[in-house]
Amino acid sequence: SQQGEEDPQALSIQEGENATMNCSYKTSINNLQWYRQNSGRGLVHLILIRSNEREKHSGRLRVTLDTSKKSSSLLITASRAADTASYFCAPYNQGGKLIFGQGTELSVKP
Amino acid sequence: DTEVTQTPKHLVMGMTNKKSLKCEQHMGHRAMYWYKQKAKKPPELMFVYSYEKLSINESVPSRFSPECPNSSLLNLHLHALQPEDSALYLCASSPRREPAAQFFGPGTRLTVL
Repeated sequence: SQQGEEDPQALSIQEGENATMNCSYKTSINNLQWYRQNSGRGLVHLILIRSNEREKHSGRLRVTLDTSKKSSSLLITASRAADTASYFCAPYNQGGKLIFGQGTELSVKP
Repeated sequence: DTEVTQTPKHLVMGMTNKKSLKCEQHMGHRAMYWYKQKAKKPPELMFVYSYEKLSINESVPSRFSPECPNSSLLNLHLHALQPEDSALYLCASSPRREPAAQFFGPGTRLTVL
């Protein structure tokens, strides 16, 4: 399966702390994307990292990609209560499909 | 307009009903997608349309019938559904069927009685 596997499944932190989520996948990818989903709503695209990139930043988000280990991480710095959501990694495979991982449920307490 | 809209937001239907879910985008995107998401699970791809043609069907049962009348609209026709089909149905679009970011609508929460 191309599906990303995420770790941890749930993460609870205090406001101001950093949150790190990890993703592993099994086969070759074109790129890997991260999405956020607030409870019961649509997904929001956060960041896309191509297979030839190692690190990418967007505001308080930092994504790394290690294709030799088939893994990626998402770091959210200086977290806020509004960051509370589910976060999904989604490897984009050579067959043209976005396959979502199981997700990490992040809870940021004020 | 950078939105994907979906109607209705909520739908309750019986197993003998016929209903349709609608999705619309005005971003000029030429690829559109249907996903199904059960509670506490990731979205699962159902169908992909590229330039108004069905390009991927993930072995979805025939009681789900997609339709792409034009480049801005995507429908999902529902008939003789089962209670286990209750889920959040998400529509998404992207500029082309290539490895780009997808823009998601808010979803339709479907309950089959």
